[in-house]
Amino acid sequence: DGGITQSPKYLFRKEGQNVTLSCEQNLNHDAMYWYRQDPGQGLRLIYYSQIVNDFQKGDIAEGYSVSREKKESFPLTVTSAQKNPTAFYLCASIPGTGNEKLFFGSGTQLSVL
Amino acid sequence: DAKTTQPNSMESNEEEPVHLPCNHSTISGTDYIHWYRQLPSQGPEYVIHGLTSNVNNRMASLAIAEDRKSSTLILHRATLRDAAVYYCIPAPGGSSNTGKLIFGQGTTLQVKP
Repeated sequence: DGGITQSPKYLFRKEGQNVTLSCEQNLNHDAMYWYRQDPGQGLRLIYYSQIVNDFQKGDIAEGYSVSREKKESFPLTVTSAQKNPTAFYLCASIPGTGNEKLFFGSGTQLSVL
Repeated sequence: DAKTTQPNSMESNEEEPVHLPCNHSTISGTDYIHWYRQLPSQGPEYVIHGLTSNVNNRMASLAIAEDRKSSTLILHRATLRDAAVYYCIPAPGGSSNTGKLIFGQGTTLQVKP
């Protein structure tokens, strides 16, 4: 079945460490998104990409980086510059226009040791 | 970016209809209106979307105002499994890429037995 796979489900980061969250889709979707969700809050957009080798900052990009070398993959790196990384991270994809639905992964819970 | 306004929370009794409102007064003419819902620690789930006409599917109905500045998600008979956070978001249609997809805070729906 087609879908979005996020891994790992749980991730722990030590102080000063960079960690990478994986997001892979086999839906042949053009656009991919990363969102951050804090407890009891809505989703906030970190980065998005509409085509391979191109991506744009969302509303809270500081302390994060992404790459889009392949259509099916959109990894998110949480750098040491992100001082409060503990959150639930969600990856999503959509074919290309708004007349299709967004597909979401099951999320990664990142915590700081 | 089109912005949305939703009530923070709503309550319903089981087996009764629920009307969840969303204001999107800055929506553009080609934006689709999407609704998603999210259970704790899960990725959002697609509910319904539409452009101008009212839409129905097995989960819900979507009533879109004639001026498209607001919409209402209708759950015809609420069940305990419908308790979730509901988000409405505009998504560009036509030949435009989806671009930024911004989620608001959403409406937390409580369903009482």
